[in-house]
Amino acid sequence: DAGVIQSPRHEVTEMGQEVTLRCKPISGHNSLFWYRQTMMRGLELLIYFNNNVPIDDSGMPEDRFSAKMPNASFSTLKIQPSEPRDSAVYFCASSLLSGGTNIQYFGAGTRLSVL
Amino acid sequence: GIQVEQSPPDLILQEGANSTLRCNFSDSVNNLQWFHQNPWGQLINLFYIPSGTKQNGRLSATTVATERYSLLYISSSQTTDSGVYFCAVLSGGSYIPTFGRGTSLIVHP
Repeated sequence: DAGVIQSPRHEVTEMGQEVTLRCKPISGHNSLFWYRQTMMRGLELLIYFNNNVPIDDSGMPEDRFSAKMPNASFSTLKIQPSEPRDSAVYFCASSLLSGGTNIQYFGAGTRLSVL
Repeated sequence: GIQVEQSPPDLILQEGANSTLRCNFSDSVNNLQWFHQNPWGQLINLFYIPSGTKQNGRLSATTVATERYSLLYISSSQTTDSGVYFCAVLSGGSYIPTFGRGTSLIVHP
């Protein structure tokens, strides 16, 4: 398997623009997690899906952020409008949740810079 | 919620040295992972180890769940071991992992 695939790897945009990050989980995994990593706050969970359904979105910063998982092989994280404070590395991870076990596999991340 | 503390926060080694990284957690866990974030930012699974001991080459890990800690051993360190090492745990029936702040390791040639 190719692992978790994220695109783009780097994104530079101007304040106010819409940004869409994409993630393809590992085939057969039933859960997908979106994280944000900054120096100040470390690794933060934004939202996670189980069987394509959002289970916990309490980490989503505000209404400017939205995430979807239309099918088991694709998810998006959208920021609209983007702000400079959204600059961070965004990771997607997938896992097969079962019996209290959550072994996560991370994608390479998307480095977002909002100017 | 559960607290996860990693120590030391920073570590500098000469190539060939051995090291031990520690992860303490404040409650019982049913899932623990160690990750290595390399200098290019990629998070790589090292071990899934809720209890017991595992070894993979120069790396090994031990979790003593009853005493609420896990240790990651790196032997004969190499420059490619540089990066940040994170532990992440699950507790209380939640599937949301709690990450430690990490140990930053620099290995000099």
